[in-house]
Amino acid sequence: DAKTTQPPSMDCAEGRAANLPCNHSTISGNEYVYWYRQIHSQGPQYIIHGLKNNETNEMASLIITEDRKSSTLILPHATLRDTAVYYCIVRVASISSGSARQLTFGSGTQLTVLP
Amino acid sequence: NAGVMQNPRHLVRRRGQEARLRCSPMKGHSHVYWYRQLPEEGLKFMVYLQKENIIDESGMPKERFSAEFPKEGPSILRIQQVVRGDSAAYFCASSPGLSYNEQFFGPGTRLTVL
Repeated sequence: DAKTTQPPSMDCAEGRAANLPCNHSTISGNEYVYWYRQIHSQGPQYIIHGLKNNETNEMASLIITEDRKSSTLILPHATLRDTAVYYCIVRVASISSGSARQLTFGSGTQLTVLP
Repeated sequence: NAGVMQNPRHLVRRRGQEARLRCSPMKGHSHVYWYRQLPEEGLKFMVYLQKENIIDESGMPKERFSAEFPKEGPSILRIQQVVRGDSAAYFCASSPGLSYNEQFFGPGTRLTVL
């Protein structure tokens, strides 16, 4: 799986949009970008994933550049409960039975939402 | 639909004892993953199982650690003769497999070895 690079920490004011960048310059054509977060002491939580197109769900938006070498996770209106470590993960998303794969977590970005 | 369940949530063992960690995947999920998070470190993959099969154990320590996912019942991560370095949070995740690849994590078991 391709390596990802994220800033170690970021701050964001409550109510403002949080934009978390991720570089994945060696990403392959069949690799997806996944985002998870881990709120202190809890299990990681899936946020969103995408391949080429921008994606949006009830939690966040994912913007992937045209060359797919970087992406940005956007939390449109950050709240204090969004304070967490955010992990950007690149991996093959296989659809054949028995070939689902492990997640490789890096250091992530510690997002602190300030009141 | 209940999420991934892990028990116990906290486990204290003395050096040399055995630790058994249980994971019940989400309903309908047949794939289970175990990850370990050492203090102040990131999550590291340990093992990936399907019912009655170990698919990938490349992250498992060679000795003292074993995992199973029987046809009936929860997945078990077993650590024999625990040492202080085994103190960590152990997270289980499950996925439905096939076209779904998101992994859904449990709350973790925090193992403390005295």
